[in-house]
Amino acid sequence: ELKVEQNPLFLSMQEGKNYTIYCNYSTTSDRLYWYRQDPGKSLESLFVLLSNGAVKQEGRLMASLDTKARLSTLHITAAVHDLSATYFCAAGRGAQKLVFGQGTRLTINP
Amino acid sequence: DAMVIQNPRYQVTQFGKPVTLSCSQTLNHNVMYWYQQKSSQAPKLLFHYYDKDFNNEADTPDNFQSRRPNTSFCFLDIRSPGLGDAAMYLCATSRTAARGAMNTEAFFGQGTRLTVV
Repeated sequence: ELKVEQNPLFLSMQEGKNYTIYCNYSTTSDRLYWYRQDPGKSLESLFVLLSNGAVKQEGRLMASLDTKARLSTLHITAAVHDLSATYFCAAGRGAQKLVFGQGTRLTINP
Repeated sequence: DAMVIQNPRYQVTQFGKPVTLSCSQTLNHNVMYWYQQKSSQAPKLLFHYYDKDFNNEADTPDNFQSRRPNTSFCFLDIRSPGLGDAAMYLCATSRTAARGAMNTEAFFGQGTRLTVV
């Protein structure tokens, strides 16, 4: 059974600092997604990672995938308040299923 | 332009009174999912359709049913809502070229927040 674990679950950081959120998954997965969720809102797709060594960047966020280690990271560079949200990773195996991590609640303080 | 549309955005229902949530998509995706997300928890898959084939998760209660009358629409029926069913319900879609093939990105609707009183 595919299981996905994120850490940390809560992260409070100052503006301008860098940090990384980790996502481990338990069995072979053929795709890894990162989503952002604001309070009371739905999931916004950030990145889709499909192959070993994939790296994608959008603004201050960069995601990478190491399929051998079964690890994906979401790196935040020079954080700004607008990035405060809950971030989920999700892994998929087989045709249709996506299994989500627990989420990382990120708070960025001025 | 919204590609996965859920209605209503907010639904209040009485304990035990059947309720239906709807989802429509303009992407022509062949896979549609329903997720339940309770407060401060991760989304949990309830079931999904691959074309017309219904796939129920093993731990989805019988109280939850779904219908997909055509490619564009999918409904979530809660036959007898309990207080524990209060949650955000998320519909998502994706496209799979063939069963077992790799999915494209999954697109989520805005969600329906269900309150049970």
